Amino acid sequence: AQKITQTQPGMFVQEKEAVTLDCTYDTSDQSYGLFWYKQPSSGEMIFLIYQGSYDEQNATEGRYSLNFQKARKSANLVISASQLGDSAMYFCAMSAVNFGNEKLTFGTGTRLTIIP
Amino acid sequence: DVKVTQSSRYLVKRTGEKVFLECVQDMDHENMFWYRQDPGLGLRLIYFSYDVKMKEKGDIPEGYSVSREKKERFSLILESASTNQTSMYLCASSFAGGWNTEAFFGQGTRLTVV
Repeated sequence: AQKITQTQPGMFVQEKEAVTLDCTYDTSDQSYGLFWYKQPSSGEMIFLIYQGSYDEQNATEGRYSLNFQKARKSANLVISASQLGDSAMYFCAMSAVNFGNEKLTFGTGTRLTIIP
Repeated sequence: DVKVTQSSRYLVKRTGEKVFLECVQDMDHENMFWYRQDPGLGLRLIYFSYDVKMKEKGDIPEGYSVSREKKERFSLILESASTNQTSMYLCASSFAGGWNTEAFFGQGTRLTVV
């Protein structure tokens, strides 16, 4: 079974500071993908970044980077130079093959609030 | 642009009613998913489908069923709605081999059962 754990229900960060959102995962699969999604107050789910289990380098997408530590089963999201528009819910997710089919599992999320 | 469309943004139903939530995607994705989202609990997987007429139970399938008669459409059915099924429901789709591709989401349906 796969499980995603996000231990920070909420975070407050000063604008322009960097922020790290924690995510740990548990799976026995060798092939899996880790994703981060952003959900603003409007409710849409916005894909931010992806890391494959075989990728040796950490993924980066603009101000977002994923700090992937495979041995520790952690996939933390780092947002550099935070902006007011970064205030949202953030979800970590994992996709792994489940009896031949891909199953996508989410964590409980972290509500990030950027303070001006 | 990938589009995943859910039939209703808001829905109010009475206890005991049969409720259908419809989801359509236009990207020829093999995988489709139904989640419910509740505060503090994140997104919990109800059912998913990897092909037409194929379905797999997720983590919380009790009280729900699904139907996938066409590749582009995945329906979530509440056979007899109850107040504890009041929630936000999100549909998503992805390509097969999708452990390394992102899922695309619909706008969500906020269901209230009274």
